Amino acid sequence: NAGVTQTPKFQVLKTGQSMTLQCAQDMNHEYMSWYRQDPGMGLRLIHYSVGAGITDQGEVPNGYNVSRSTTEDFPLRLLSAAPSQTSVYFCASSYQTRGTGELFFGEGSRLTVL
Amino acid sequence: GNSVTQMEGPVTLSEEAFLTINCTYTATGYPSLFWYVQYPGEGLQLLLKATKADDKGSNKGFEATYRKETTSFHLEKGSVQVSDSAVYFCASTGNQFYFGTGTSLTVIP
Repeated sequence: NAGVTQTPKFQVLKTGQSMTLQCAQDMNHEYMSWYRQDPGMGLRLIHYSVGAGITDQGEVPNGYNVSRSTTEDFPLRLLSAAPSQTSVYFCASSYQTRGTGELFFGEGSRLTVL
Repeated sequence: GNSVTQMEGPVTLSEEAFLTINCTYTATGYPSLFWYVQYPGEGLQLLLKATKADDKGSNKGFEATYRKETTSFHLEKGSVQVSDSAVYFCASTGNQFYFGTGTSLTVIP
């Protein structure tokens, strides 16, 4: 009963380093997305995907790359980490965005950039 | 475009008090509406939802009614408990999912 799995749960990076946050879902959901959560800012959409091979930018895409080669996986890449990217990141998926679809969230990845 | 506006927090209540967290939305068409809850150190989980006008979502004593005429989806609970302390997010569907900024609730004994 895995749902949405994110790894790692915690990560500390130095400025300029790169890393990938992994996200996998086993519910055959077409829609997947990445959010960042910062104090006082709520949830902000970084990138999303409506199916394999299709990605699009959200509200705050700069500094992040994504790809969607399979239905199950949606990794988020930071190519050159900056302190402003210190945040908690959530991956979420849904079987649809319109209609009655609800989002299922992972447990979050806490990233600190020094 | 679509957006969700919810009541600013933080909110502090005594146990057994009545809770209301206001949420309004703007949308083209007829979105589904949701309340999510985030307990400390955890991800968001669905609390309740409503998919059409006049629907009432309910769960764990919480309720919210989809009001098309006022474009609102206010969250209510008649008697809060300490265990309800969390951050609550209102959300709607569209091309994406649209979230409010969250309302932090603390319930004190």
